[in-house]
Amino acid sequence: DQQVKQNSPSLSVQEGRISILNCDYTNSMFDYFLWYKKYPAEGPTFLISISSIKDKNEDGRFTVFLNKSAKHLSLHIVPSQPGDSAVYFCAAISGGSQGNLIFGKGTKLSVKP
Amino acid sequence: KAGVTQTPRYLIKTRGQQVTLSCSPISGHRSVSWYQQTPGQGLQFLFEYFSETQRNKGNFPGRFSGRQFSNSRSEMNVSTLELGDSALYLCASRGAGYTDTQYFGPGTRLTVL
Repeated sequence: DQQVKQNSPSLSVQEGRISILNCDYTNSMFDYFLWYKKYPAEGPTFLISISSIKDKNEDGRFTVFLNKSAKHLSLHIVPSQPGDSAVYFCAAISGGSQGNLIFGKGTKLSVKP
Repeated sequence: KAGVTQTPRYLIKTRGQQVTLSCSPISGHRSVSWYQQTPGQGLQFLFEYFSETQRNKGNFPGRFSGRQFSNSRSEMNVSTLELGDSALYLCASRGAGYTDTQYFGPGTRLTVL
């Protein structure tokens, strides 16, 4: 059973527009969430995180929103740039699991010039 | 600070053989986690080591094992390789807290023929 789901395998946006990547989770014990970006043949690169006590966290062009009641989070990238083209993974963690990340299967973002 | 390093980067083995992968964490990080990435299953947690002790384990068969040395370097071993073990194996290191960000290495691409 998948505890973290990214239902859109791919997303295509125009340069300069907003990219919105979505993630749903089922385990209410998750209390910390992260987004990673991954290029082919490289390891995931940490982007941004959010604690369950918050509903929003911003870092430059990246903003993560958390809706605990809906068990949903989203990553907004504004403005999108061609260099943002990569696979984005949502991950969740709980203190009870001692900290192993549970990943979604990823969304491939393509930003077209 | 130097990032997480993994060796070798690429490996080709045949069924039935065994393989050992190595990971050097970021200096000061005592936690090392291993993940397997495959196209069908995404990123899946294998195990975590902290201060030379396995602290957490994912749902993988006993053919997958690991260890951590006193300098926090970690090795992962897969015995009796199967075709399905072909994957990208990623190592991540972090500090002691479960919400400390996990930083990933570039991975080892294992191909089993």
